[in-house]
Amino acid sequence: DTEVTQTPKHLVMGMTNKKSLKCEQHMGHRAMYWYKQKAKKPPELMFVYSYEKLSINESVPSRFSPECPNSSLLNLHLHALQPEDSALYLCASSQVQGANNEQFFGPGTRLTVL
Amino acid sequence: GENVEQHPSTLSVQEGDSAVIKCTYSDSASNYFPWYKQELGKRPQLIIDIRSNVGEKKDQRIAVTLNKTAKHFSLHITETQPEDSAVYFCAASEHGNQFYFGTGTSLTVIP
Repeated sequence: DTEVTQTPKHLVMGMTNKKSLKCEQHMGHRAMYWYKQKAKKPPELMFVYSYEKLSINESVPSRFSPECPNSSLLNLHLHALQPEDSALYLCASSQVQGANNEQFFGPGTRLTVL
Repeated sequence: GENVEQHPSTLSVQEGDSAVIKCTYSDSASNYFPWYKQELGKRPQLIIDIRSNVGEKKDQRIAVTLNKTAKHFSLHITETQPEDSAVYFCAASEHGNQFYFGTGTSLTVIP
């Protein structure tokens, strides 16, 4: 299996809702990433997990809460989001962090905050 | 931190012509430079990468060149085809810890 999967594909939520994005890979990768991508812009790094531990947090607001329950799964918990948080959320994985390995991206979750 | 600039932001070429996209980076410690292709509504996909110990790398119609002294690297696509139409992102990384992306180039290949 050489794919990163993400669910759901689309998500619409209100500003008071709580929702979660899920990412899964079965390539044995030990580094997993969350990116946010606005239309016609490059992906912006949000979080990096290395061996299930949070390695990098790019000063992301606390309304975004990542979780890595095991080496194959990565979640992003969302709470009290703002309309400007509407974007494509991409998950990625690589063999390990810090070794110039290819990052494999998932298809993304398109999030709309009303 | 690293700053990656990418030019041009849009590029239109006739089918069969070549396309060149250029990126510059600021951090001399960066040593890994991947290029991603992102079709509309799809995920970014790695198309080629180069490490700082190499000056040029080629894969069929795609090539990347790196000038470490000038801190710039370029993507060359020859014999362009309509399916090459997409947004292309360059990126720079120091040992793969964090990837800093360029602003993207929207390439249109006109049949």
